[in-house]
Amino acid sequence: NAGVTQTPKFQVLKTGQSMTLQCAQDMNHNSMYWYRQDPGMGLRLIYYSASEGTTDKGEVPNGYNVSRLNKREFSLRLESAAPSQTSVYFCASSDPGGTGYTFGSGTRLTVV
Amino acid sequence: EDKVVQSPLSLVVHEGDTVTLNCSYEVTNFRSLLWYKQEKKAPTFLFMLTSSGIEKKSGRLSSILDKKELFSILNITATQTGDSAVYLCAVASGTYKYIFGTGTRLKVLA
Repeated sequence: NAGVTQTPKFQVLKTGQSMTLQCAQDMNHNSMYWYRQDPGMGLRLIYYSASEGTTDKGEVPNGYNVSRLNKREFSLRLESAAPSQTSVYFCASSDPGGTGYTFGSGTRLTVV
Repeated sequence: EDKVVQSPLSLVVHEGDTVTLNCSYEVTNFRSLLWYKQEKKAPTFLFMLTSSGIEKKSGRLSSILDKKELFSILNITATQTGDSAVYLCAVASGTYKYIFGTGTRLKVLA
């Protein structure tokens, strides 16, 4: 099925551990995004990639890094996880001429 | 600072009621306003609005944008339990940036 695929769906980390969240889209979209969603805070942009080869910081980039591996894939890395990074993470893609975002199904991350 | 504010934060209604959800914004370089429905997982797209005064409709849902007063409303008529969800408003600022409101949580009781 066409869309945005995120892995893993759930993850528990200990403080200080690292991990990479993977995201791939097969809609040939140019732009990809990582958001986190916390209760009462809405969706907040972490990083985005307007096109292959470019990445830019969003609203809450501290503690994260990203890689736009190719047009399809955009990964999010936590180098040293902290409890404040406990959240639900969504990857999304879009085409500026299209109808907003298509979201992945989310990753629920807990840092203990 | 760009911001999108949704109201009410939550709403409980009975099946058959009509509801109106509000979204106001202060965003530089406005490009479009989008509504999403989020149930248990990822938000799903409902509407994209770019022009004032033109109503978009999909079944029992409709939405309109007022670019002069900087707000949009989402109406749901004859609500059903399946409409229970969080409704998110997002404003596209420039080509790549989308700013989300915190959402309105709607619960429809049978």
